[in-house]
Amino acid sequence: EAAVTQSPRNKVAVTGGKVTLSCNQTNNHNNMYWYRQDTGHGLRLIHYSYGAGSTEKGDIPDGYKASRPSQENFSLILELATPSQTSVYFCASGEGGRAEQFFGPGTRLTVL
Amino acid sequence: QQKVQQSPESLTVSEGAMASLNCTFSDGTSNNFRWYRQHSAKGLEVLVSIFSDGEKEEGRFTAHLNRANLHVSLHIREPQPSDSAVYLCAVSEQGGSAKLIFGEGTKLTVSS
Repeated sequence: EAAVTQSPRNKVAVTGGKVTLSCNQTNNHNNMYWYRQDTGHGLRLIHYSYGAGSTEKGDIPDGYKASRPSQENFSLILELATPSQTSVYFCASGEGGRAEQFFGPGTRLTVL
Repeated sequence: QQKVQQSPESLTVSEGAMASLNCTFSDGTSNNFRWYRQHSAKGLEVLVSIFSDGEKEEGRFTAHLNRANLHVSLHIREPQPSDSAVYLCAVSEQGGSAKLIFGEGTKLTVSS
């Protein structure tokens, strides 16, 4: 089974600060995804990637950047964090098409 | 864009009774539907993936898909207290990204 890990698991940040959330997968999947989960909205896609060097905007990309420096790693970057970005963030990996997406354990981010 | 809605918001069933969860979607051209389970503060666990109209069984979990009616359901046979969790319906958009559109979830409580 694919292993997707996220760090940190919990993060408290200040408004205006820079936050980087990291994701690592060990199953050599091409596609990686960043979602956020909020009460009343389910999970929503922020950014995704088809492979090293590629990033694509998802459904709610404003205020976020993404970086895919290697097959294994995919980062989500909040250059200027705002309280509205307080949420639980999930990373996932998969092969696309009908293949399963495997999710990490989530990162709880609080922006004060 | 695909819209996904789940009902009911919450459901309580007795141990051993059948639990039925519903999911409606707006675009019937999708052919990739998944049900996930999420225990409190944990990642997502895929339960059933279904790609064509009809029924798909995975152990105690059965999904029914009817794209003409824009409806997919999940039935849990003999639910146990350990099945208490949030259940998420997800529909994959057409195309190589395979990005998922999630419903808001149904919180299931199984009482012993």
